[in-house]
Amino acid sequence: DTEVTQTPKHLVMGMTNKKSLKCEQHMGHRAMYWYKQKAKKPPELMFVYSYEKLSINESVPSRFSPECPNSSLLNLHLHALQPEDSALYLCASSQEVTGQGTYNEQFFGPGTRLTVL
Amino acid sequence: GESVGLHLPTLSVQEGDNSIINCAYSNSASDYFIWYKQESGKGPQFIIDIRSNMDKRQGQRVTVLLNKTVKHLSLQIAATQPGDSAVYFCAESPRGYQKVTFGTGTKLQVIP
Repeated sequence: DTEVTQTPKHLVMGMTNKKSLKCEQHMGHRAMYWYKQKAKKPPELMFVYSYEKLSINESVPSRFSPECPNSSLLNLHLHALQPEDSALYLCASSQEVTGQGTYNEQFFGPGTRLTVL
Repeated sequence: GESVGLHLPTLSVQEGDNSIINCAYSNSASDYFIWYKQESGKGPQFIIDIRSNMDKRQGQRVTVLLNKTVKHLSLQIAATQPGDSAVYFCAESPRGYQKVTFGTGTKLQVIP
């Protein structure tokens, strides 16, 4: 199974709502990622989890709260978002290594299209 | 700041012709350079990567060239097919894992 699944596919929320995005992979990958992608722009890294621990936070506002409950699951909790947070949110996973060698390919899910009203 | 960018935002190619997508990068410290393909409604899909100690790498119908002197990366697609229509992103990674920075993307349109 080389698939990363994300739910929901689409989400519309108000600025006072609390919602969560979910991501799952069963490839045994120990690194998982959240990216944000605005229309016609490249994906921008938000968070990286390595062995279920947060290893990179790219100065993301606290209204985005990531969680990695186990090695297969990654959540992104959303609270008090702004309309400018509307975007495609991509989850990815990869092998995790501690040294240099080969590039560890990131496998991406299809994304959740988020609209904040 | 450091960035990875592309020269052409849109490239139209006749089916069967070869395509060349170019990318300029500025982070000399990056060790890995990667090409991703993103079709409409999908997440990016890995195509090929090259390490900084190489200048050429070939895959199935694709070749990546790296010119460190001028900080230039290119992706060549042989015998371009309609299924190749997508947005192509170059990306760089300092260590080959975790942190990856994507460039601005080029849309490839294949004309039947």
